[in-house]
Amino acid sequence: DAGITQSPRHKVTETGTPVTLRCHQTENHRYMYWYRQDPGHGLRLIHYSYGVKDTDKGEVSDGYSVSRSKTEDFLLTLESATSSQTSVYFCAISDRQGFGKNIQYFGAGTRLSVL
Amino acid sequence: DAKTTQPPSMDCAEGRAANLPCNHSTISGNEYVYWYRQIHSQGPQYIIHGLKNNETNEMASLIITEDRKSSTLILPHATLRDTAVYYCIVRVDEGSSNTGKLIFGQGTTLQVKP
Repeated sequence: DAGITQSPRHKVTETGTPVTLRCHQTENHRYMYWYRQDPGHGLRLIHYSYGVKDTDKGEVSDGYSVSRSKTEDFLLTLESATSSQTSVYFCAISDRQGFGKNIQYFGAGTRLSVL
Repeated sequence: DAKTTQPPSMDCAEGRAANLPCNHSTISGNEYVYWYRQIHSQGPQYIIHGLKNNETNEMASLIITEDRKSSTLILPHATLRDTAVYYCIVRVDEGSSNTGKLIFGQGTTLQVKP
């Protein structure tokens, strides 16, 4: 998976608890993304980062926060998990070095169940 | 980014070529066509992309029509391991306001059969 590690791979938690998912890369790519995938919705962007401490919201960011304190790590936090956040979460990275080179590489995913 | 239309499902015999179509009639001049696939329970995988010329790599070939309103992904010798959902994505590659996000539609489920 192109030097991308997501942890944990599986997690079951209870409603109202905080949850943090980690994405770690060894490629030194500038851009990192968090997507969620749900049946009938495909993959949707939650948050993304364009550098250390530079992050922005995607299309489904409510209830999520992110942090990127170093190039290799991008953390996704659910402050107070809800059942609607049960999903598979994918991290992606990209170096985006010009036209026709915006290729994203995805991690293996984290399957999160909120009971 | 332009909207894409793909058939929901296709079958292909093992060893034969798989030809996956994609319509993107509203594509603009600076939009690239990207193809990704997702094998069950795995993260999406980049396959190939192009602007207006045909492209080939070790995984597949991409044929883009001259008017760029449609394209075809070709897997020359499909194997059982190519069974996956294939996504055609059209997007502008650069720009200061470009998030770089990928918009995945429903894709085409390709079933390669023995």
